[in-house]
Amino acid sequence: AQKITQTQPGMFVQEKEAVTLDCTYDTSDQSYGLFWYKQPSSGEMIFLIYQGSYDEQNATEGRYSLNFQKARKSANLVISASQLGDSAMYFCAMREVIKAAGNKLTFGGGTRVLVKP
Amino acid sequence: EAGVAQSPRYKIIEKRQSVAFWCNPISGHATLYWYQQILGQGPKLLIQFQNNGVVDDSQLPKDRFSAERLKGVDSTLKIQPAKLEDSAVYLCASSLRRGREDPYNEQFFGPGTRLTVL
Repeated sequence: AQKITQTQPGMFVQEKEAVTLDCTYDTSDQSYGLFWYKQPSSGEMIFLIYQGSYDEQNATEGRYSLNFQKARKSANLVISASQLGDSAMYFCAMREVIKAAGNKLTFGGGTRVLVKP
Repeated sequence: EAGVAQSPRYKIIEKRQSVAFWCNPISGHATLYWYQQILGQGPKLLIQFQNNGVVDDSQLPKDRFSAERLKGVDSTLKIQPAKLEDSAVYLCASSLRRGREDPYNEQFFGPGTRLTVL
């Protein structure tokens, strides 16, 4: 069974500084994918970034980058130049293919980020 | 493009009562998911539909939870009877199936329904 672990329940970060959110995973699948989602207080899940297990380069999307270390089974999210609007819960999730019908996502417990002005 | 719609946004009921949630996915999305998110935890998949067929309901408490997607579009999730531990946010998501080898297949989430069971 797949397992996702986020060991940081909460973090403070100063505005304009970078922050790294940890995510480790466990799977026996050779092909898998890792997602990061942001969940503001309003409740919706917002997709941030995706990394496939066979992708050789670390994924980047604007201020978000993923530090993917396959041997260590970690997929940490780096947010650069933090903004007040980055205050939210952040979830790491792993994809499992289900009968060719789409993704089954297993989520970690989340990390709450609070950006200080 | 309209996002995933859910209603109601909030619901308060007493234990042993019944409740139903509705989800309208993004137009053209074949796959629909219901997640349960208990306060302080990550979402947990309850059931996944491909068109109007169930793909995975291994974590759905079938003695009290049921879900349907009759015409392959809208879906309803029902709890009958509700227990205190069912208090959670119920998230609906949809994705556009683009084939077995597509590893990406991003899921788009609705705003959720916050259920409080007293």
